[in-house]
Amino acid sequence: QVQLQQWGAGLLKPSETLSLACAVYGGSFSGYYWTWIRQPPGKGLEWIGEINHSGDTNYNPSLKSRVTISVDTSKNQFFLSLRSVTAADTAAYYCARPTSGSGSPITTWGQGALVTVSS
Amino acid sequence: AIRMTQSPSSLSASIGDRVTVTCRASQGVSSYLAWYQQKPGKAPQLLIYAASTLQSGVPSRFSGSGSGTDFTLTISCLQSDDFATYFCQQYYNYPRTFGQGTRVEMK
Repeated sequence: QVQLQQWGAGLLKPSETLSLACAVYGGSFSGYYWTWIRQPPGKGLEWIGEINHSGDTNYNPSLKSRVTISVDTSKNQFFLSLRSVTAADTAAYYCARPTSGSGSPITTWGQGALVTVSS
Repeated sequence: AIRMTQSPSSLSASIGDRVTVTCRASQGVSSYLAWYQQKPGKAPQLLIYAASTLQSGVPSRFSGSGSGTDFTLTISCLQSDDFATYFCQQYYNYPRTFGQGTRVEMK
């Protein structure tokens, strides 16, 4: 059964770059679109973007200018980089995997990582 | 982006109640609609996908219906474990979008 384990810095200052990583354990790394989703405290879920094993990406237009999602297939890991953060980027960030391919719901989630942006 | 609007934003209910949550899409999403349950401090968990298909392991008291723009999540007989927040999500096109959530609280 696939498991996702994520890590990264939890406290950033405004204008810094958020960097998170997610490791995939069990199951195949290819054939899926590996996804990042975030949730500000007490608020709803926002889809950030996704990447497949070939490096093909889809991003949320609201974040596209600041986001890069990348992948390291040799380590079964994928990464999120969000530049020029502000307090509005404070959120729990989740890595996730849809059931199969891209057009499917999310069935596997990482444990989540709270990232706080504060001066 | 497709806007997903849930109603109500919150509701109070008792054990054994029938609970209904609605989700409306700003444009048609066919049946590419999922429902998730989230408890405090935890990641969401998939309940229903393809608008009406129950995810494996999810109790049969949960059901979903609808297609196009209007969808419903029903809990037929509310249990103590069901007090949580529920989100709908469309995966019909990009960007994937979620409803704002419906919090089910104990009356």
